[in-house]
Amino acid sequence: KAGVTQTPRYLIKTRGQQVTLSCSPISGHRSVSWYQQTPGQGLQFLFEYFSETQRNKGNFPGRFSGRQFSNSRSEMNVSTLELGDSALYLCASSLAGTPTEAFFGQGTRLTVV
Amino acid sequence: GENVEQHPSTLSVQEGDSAVIKCTYSDSASNYFPWYKQELGKGPQLIIDIRSNVGEKKDQRIAVTLNKTAKHFSLHITETQPEDSAVYFCAAPNQAGTALIFGKGTTLSVSS
Repeated sequence: KAGVTQTPRYLIKTRGQQVTLSCSPISGHRSVSWYQQTPGQGLQFLFEYFSETQRNKGNFPGRFSGRQFSNSRSEMNVSTLELGDSALYLCASSLAGTPTEAFFGQGTRLTVV
Repeated sequence: GENVEQHPSTLSVQEGDSAVIKCTYSDSASNYFPWYKQELGKGPQLIIDIRSNVGEKKDQRIAVTLNKTAKHFSLHITETQPEDSAVYFCAAPNQAGTALIFGKGTTLSVSS
């Protein structure tokens, strides 16, 4: 059974640009959550999608957005990149609408220069 | 959920010793408590979890205990090995029950 797949693994962007990250959940999983991981702040919740609906959003500016498609694949977008957006972005998928048994992907390492 | 505190932030043990990591949570309605292990360059890996109707759960060398009255839960690793060296995170559901709130992590170093 394939795990959670995130693409790309690494990205380097310039301040002011925008970026789109992709997450393919485990087959059959309908919930996808996104987290930002930095050395100073740890793992912080960005947003969660279930059946194409955003149900929850963390305390991040509106530059961070996402969506989920009918096949449960999800994308997140960050516009007008800032240096502080440099982080490891992780997505996790779970079978049902609760975060029980959530499995993470390898993450996308974003560097903003 | 909503606030999860984890201690200690770093832990160094000798191979064969036991390691204990503790977490407290603020939302008394929380009912699910997972532990994740993150190795360098990888995403967090779910290693064990416990639900609120159980006080203890064991899986080989790792165990988790839960005290709902005190709102804390702990990870116990016995007979530690160098490959146990990693960052460990505890978590609990947010109030909406849709995502996890994580502790700040514990860096475990096991020296041989």
